[in-house]
Amino acid sequence: DAGVTQSPTHLIKTRGQHVTLRCSPISGHKSVSWYQQVLGQGPQFIFQYYEKEERGRGNFPDRFSARQFPNYSSELNVNALLLGDSALYLCASSLAGDTSYEQYFGPGTRLTVT
Amino acid sequence: GESVGLHLPTLSVQEGDNSIINCAYSNSASDYFIWYKQESGKGPQFIIDIRSNMDKRQGQRVTVLLNKTVKHLSLQIAATQPGDSAVYFCAENGGGADGLTFGKGTHLIIQP
Repeated sequence: DAGVTQSPTHLIKTRGQHVTLRCSPISGHKSVSWYQQVLGQGPQFIFQYYEKEERGRGNFPDRFSARQFPNYSSELNVNALLLGDSALYLCASSLAGDTSYEQYFGPGTRLTVT
Repeated sequence: GESVGLHLPTLSVQEGDNSIINCAYSNSASDYFIWYKQESGKGPQFIIDIRSNMDKRQGQRVTVLLNKTVKHLSLQIAATQPGDSAVYFCAENGGGADGLTFGKGTHLIIQP
């Protein structure tokens, strides 16, 4: 079975632009979480979605939004990009909606904002 | 705010030796802990997890120990191999639905 997949792999954007990142969870997993990983640090939680509903949100501005589709795939949207948004964006999938289940990460999307 | 932290940023061990990576957590509400391995340019890879009703769990060449009294977590890797070189993160769930909280990571270097 395929693991978590994310697209695109790399992305370069200019300040002020908008970006959409995509994630497909492991087959059978209904929960998707998004994390931001700045170079040299651990991942930081952005959102969790389960059954198409937001279940949790980290300390990120309203420029960040996400949604989950009926097939459980998900999109992360970031508006009005800032240089500080440059990071590796990770998607993790798990079976259920609480954080007491194993979360499996995808390879990430490397976003560079210039 | 409460956070997960690691004691050492870099750990260098000889190939074949055992490695121990330590982690301190401060959120007493956390009831689930995970160790991840992250190689350069890749996403974190699940290694092993442990729930708060346990104090030890073993996997293949890895053991996780949980000491709730002092809020300490450790990952033991037996007979380290070159492929074990990576950054290791511990993560806790904070007891809620606000995602996992990660530490900064420990870079494990395997010397030949």
